[in-house]
Amino acid sequence: QSALTQPASVSGSPGQSITVSCTGTNSDVGGYYHVSWYQQHPGKAPKLMIYDVSYRPSGVSNRFSGSKSGNTASLTISGLQAEDEADYYCSSYTSSSTEFGGGTKLTVL
Amino acid sequence: EVQLVESGGGLGQPGGSLRLSCAASGFTFNTYNMNWVRQAPGKGLEWVSHISATGSSINYADSVKGRFTISRDNAKNSLYLQMNSLRAEDTAVYYCARVAGDFWGQGTLVTVPS
Repeated sequence: QSALTQPASVSGSPGQSITVSCTGTNSDVGGYYHVSWYQQHPGKAPKLMIYDVSYRPSGVSNRFSGSKSGNTASLTISGLQAEDEADYYCSSYTSSSTEFGGGTKLTVL
Repeated sequence: EVQLVESGGGLGQPGGSLRLSCAASGFTFNTYNMNWVRQAPGKGLEWVSHISATGSSINYADSVKGRFTISRDNAKNSLYLQMNSLRAEDTAVYYCARVAGDFWGQGTLVTVPS
């Protein structure tokens, strides 16, 4: 059982927006700003999409955004595209360990 | 260009050992904390171990504590994971990654039959 809780799946149509939640505790998501989101396509390594709750690495589309409220972080993808279909993982890291969510499969209908 | 290249995976025997390596290039390796993260077939990401930039701070997931040892050689820009007492549940793709998550290797598959 993962330390961070994500929905198993979400879906949306092209052009729509979806939000993936990631719920933790005061000891991880709620207590730190090192909350990240990863996109993973089948057979590929995870790709960082959001770091420190809401920052996008260079090269990541501005359709991806992150936020946090209390012990829950959220990833929002706007203007869904077919290539967004993938697994998405949240994570929270400290100076000594990292936790991951169980992952959310995004299906673009 | 930042690169992380894992090697050393393969077929391990129950109770046996394997040593994974991760060769880093394109960045100042000795200034970055590093992780090993694994992913069992069809499953999610699982953090395995962390080592600080100097190697002075090391931590393990409970699932591997006492069996796996993380280390690094900053002179060789390399990260290692010594895996002992292997179990079927250690079967996974093992990734090395910078703790910030911005760069990951391509992964190396470890298979331990039951």
